Parts: sequence; C-alpha cells; structure tokens
Amino acid sequence: SQKIEQNSEALNIQEGKTATLTCNYTNYSPAYLQWYRQDPGRGPVFLLLIRENEKEKRKERLKVTFDTTLKQSLFHITASQPADSATYLCALDPSANFGNEKLTFGTGTRLTIIP
Amino acid sequence: DGGITQSPKYLFRKEGQNVTLSCEQNLNHDAMYWYRQDPGQGLRLIYYSQIVNDFQKGDIAEGYSVSREKKESFPLTVTSAQKNPTAFYLCASSTWTGGRYEQYFGPGTRLTVT
Repeated sequence: SQKIEQNSEALNIQEGKTATLTCNYTNYSPAYLQWYRQDPGRGPVFLLLIRENEKEKRKERLKVTFDTTLKQSLFHITASQPADSATYLCALDPSANFGNEKLTFGTGTRLTIIP
Repeated sequence: DGGITQSPKYLFRKEGQNVTLSCEQNLNHDAMYWYRQDPGQGLRLIYYSQIVNDFQKGDIAEGYSVSREKKESFPLTVTSAQKNPTAFYLCASSTWTGGRYEQYFGPGTRLTVT
C-alpha cells in the first residue's frame, strides 16, 4: 500500500540555522509533490509545489528538492526565524491531469525555531 | 475577501446525535474536500467533490455523509454511526490553473462528542 513518511514528528533548530525536513514515500509515483505549513488550530497553507521532472524549487528562504529515484523530497528553510515555527506537511499528487485531484498527506513535522 | 469559511469553530455534541459541519467558499473553485485530522495521523480524506451534484468517498467515509447542491457549499454530516467522531475537521477547495493546483483550506471545526 502507499506510504508517506516525514522524517520526524518534531524538530528543534537554532535561530539562523537551516532547517531540513524530509518526506519519503513508497509504492507511489507522484507527478507533483506539495508542501504546506500548518499553525496550531488552523488549516494548512500551501507553500510550494515541485513537479517530478524538477530537481529543485526555491521561494524566498524556502527550497524544495524532489528525487524520484530515492523517492524523497527535502524541504529547507534557510536563516530560520522563530516565526517559522509550525507543522510542515508534504502531500503527494498522483496526476498532472484535472479530474484526479486527490492528495495524500504525510503526518507532518512540527518545527520549533529556538531563539 | 475571498476564502473558505467553516462554522462553527468549536462544536460539542452528545453521543448518538447527528451533527452537520458547514463549509462555504467564494473562490469559484470546482473541487471541494473534507479531511479529518487526529494527533499523529495527519490529514485523512473523508469525501471529495469535483463538480456540483457529484461526490466520491475518500479513505474514511464510513459514518459520514455529504451533499453538493451548490458550487460554493459542501456540508459534512457526522452521523451517529461514526465510532470516533471527536476530531479536527478541515474543509478545502481547489481548482485547476495553468497545469497545477493547490488546496486552499478553511480554519477548521473542532468537534467534541461526549
């Protein structure tokens, strides 16, 4: 069966350092991979999307990589700040075509940036 | 102000009662979704709808029902048949734009059944 794992339930990083979160999957061939941020008691917010034929995507201090051979995505936050503290979810999208819009979400990694 | 609204934010019910959670969007999105979130289990898909008057079961549909009579509305009923209804419920919508889409989530409803 399809399985998605995010490397750890919780991660503590010193302010200013780079935070790296991992998303691994098995028995799955996603066309896209998405990353979301969720604050406590709130709904997730979309951050970045990367396609299967892209190796890397950047947005400001965020960087996502996608290795379909390793079946892994890495999510990096550089120059981390306390405001980056949140739970980060990865989501796999199996299809590039409209009509199959079911995402499969990982369990999330709770990131805490320590001042 | 475009977005997704869910009401109420907190809901309390007695065991054995059906309860309906509201979800409205003014983003003109075609697809809408209901997820359940429990600690340590991530988001699990309950039902989704890609078009008005049509919906499909997700991974954990048992004990839930939905309707999609209007594009902007996708209410979820938690029935008395749902064994563990206490959870955080999230509604989302999405649309196909330029070869990609992402899901927009509402603020969620925390349901407690005692």
